[in-house]
Amino acid sequence: EVQLVESGGGLVKPGGSLRLSCAASGFTFSSYSMNWIRQAPGKGLEWVSSISSSGTYIYYADSVKGRFTISRDNSKNSLYLQMNRLRAEDTAVYYCASDYYGSKSPFDYWGQGTLVTVSS
Amino acid sequence: AIQLTQSPSSLSASVGDRVTITCRASQGISSALAWYQQKPGKAPKLLIYDASYLESGVPSRFSGSGSGTDFTLTISSLQPEDFATYYCQQFNSYPFTFGGGTKVEIE
Repeated sequence: EVQLVESGGGLVKPGGSLRLSCAASGFTFSSYSMNWIRQAPGKGLEWVSSISSSGTYIYYADSVKGRFTISRDNSKNSLYLQMNRLRAEDTAVYYCASDYYGSKSPFDYWGQGTLVTVSS
Repeated sequence: AIQLTQSPSSLSASVGDRVTITCRASQGISSALAWYQQKPGKAPKLLIYDASYLESGVPSRFSGSGSGTDFTLTISSLQPEDFATYYCQQFNSYPFTFGGGTKVEIE
């Protein structure tokens, strides 16, 4: 059974940092691109970042470029999102999701999400 | 960035109704479109990929169509468990984008 479990969310002050993790199991993690998607309270879905299976190719939404860093450790079946210089508008549930197939793919498996709250 | 415009943003319908949701892309995306269903407090669930392919395990009352800029999600006979919010998403080019969502409510 495929499982994606996010962790690392919490309350942080504006300007602060947080590192999210996503632990994957039940599939060959190293073969799939991975993604972060977020959802602000009561709002729609926003794609945040993607990383290719080997970590070679990385993409970011303009809203987080230069502040967030996506990475992965295939030996640990884990995906990460380092979030720096956080703003109130980064408050959201953050989901990790796996690609259905190769690069540029829909997202077939999603984690349960982890809530990040940026507030003083 | 490619913008996706979903309509309507919400609708009220009854069990058994046929429901159609549309998604329009600001530029052509071939068939690189997916539809997701999200219930309150839950992660989105993939329903349709590549515009018209039904994800495994998804009931056949769901169908998708379209290519280029205009896409449709149809629920042929709405069931109680279908009341949720639906999102389209393009994966033709980065940055990936989602439509604003369509909330399907009980009439």
